[in-house]
Amino acid sequence: DGGITQSPKYLFRKEGQNVTLSCEQNLNHDAMYWYRQDPGQGLRLIYYSQIVNDFQKGDIAEGYSVSREKKESFPLTVTSAQKNPTAFYLCASSIGLARTGELFFGEGSRLTVL
Amino acid sequence: GIQVEQSPPDLILQEGANSTLRCNFSDSVNNLQWFHQNPWGQLINLFYIPSGTKQNGRLSATTVATERYSLLYISSSQTTDSGVYFCAVPINWGLNGGSQGNLIFGKGTKLSVKP
Repeated sequence: DGGITQSPKYLFRKEGQNVTLSCEQNLNHDAMYWYRQDPGQGLRLIYYSQIVNDFQKGDIAEGYSVSREKKESFPLTVTSAQKNPTAFYLCASSIGLARTGELFFGEGSRLTVL
Repeated sequence: GIQVEQSPPDLILQEGANSTLRCNFSDSVNNLQWFHQNPWGQLINLFYIPSGTKQNGRLSATTVATERYSLLYISSSQTTDSGVYFCAVPINWGLNGGSQGNLIFGKGTKLSVKP
C-alpha cells in the first residue's frame, strides 16, 4: 500500500546527542515536509523540500537539519543545538507545488530527551 | 502572516449528538484542509475543501472563502470520533509560487464523545 513511513515511533535520547528521524514515502510525491507538535498545540513547520537536493527552512528550523538525496526519503536530524527537542514529529508529503497542496501525514515519531 | 482560529477549543458530546466545529482564517486562501488526530497521534485527512461543501458519511464540511471561514459538521457522533480536529491553510500561497503544502494549523478542537 502507498503511504508515508516514519521510524522510529518512539525514541529516547540523552541531552546533547544528535538524533535522526526517518521518513520514507512511496506515493511518488515531489514535496515533503517536517512538522513539530508540542502538547496541546497545533503543528509548526520545521523544513520542507519541493524537489530532490533542495530544501527550505520553515518557521522553526533552528537546531534541525535535513537532506533530500532521494525523492522518497527526507530524514530529519535533531541536533544538540535544539534547545527543547522533546516533541512529536510528523512527516508529510504532497504531490507538488502548484497542482495541489493536499498534505498526507505519516504516523509520527515521539522523541523524548532525558 | 495569516492567522487561523478554531472554535470551540474543547467539546464534550454524548454519543449520537451532532456538532459543528468552526475555522476562521484572516486572509484569502485557495486551499483548506480538515484533519482528525486520533488518540495515538496520527493525522487523518478528512477534507480538502478550498470552497463549497463536501460530505463523507457522517461528516461534512463547508468553506465560504469570501467570508473566510470553514465549518466541519459531525452528525450522530460516535466514541471513535474523539480526538483533536485541526484545520489548516497555506502559509504563503501565491508568494513566489510558494509551496501550497506549507500549511499553518489552528490550535484544534478537542472532541470527547461519551458513551
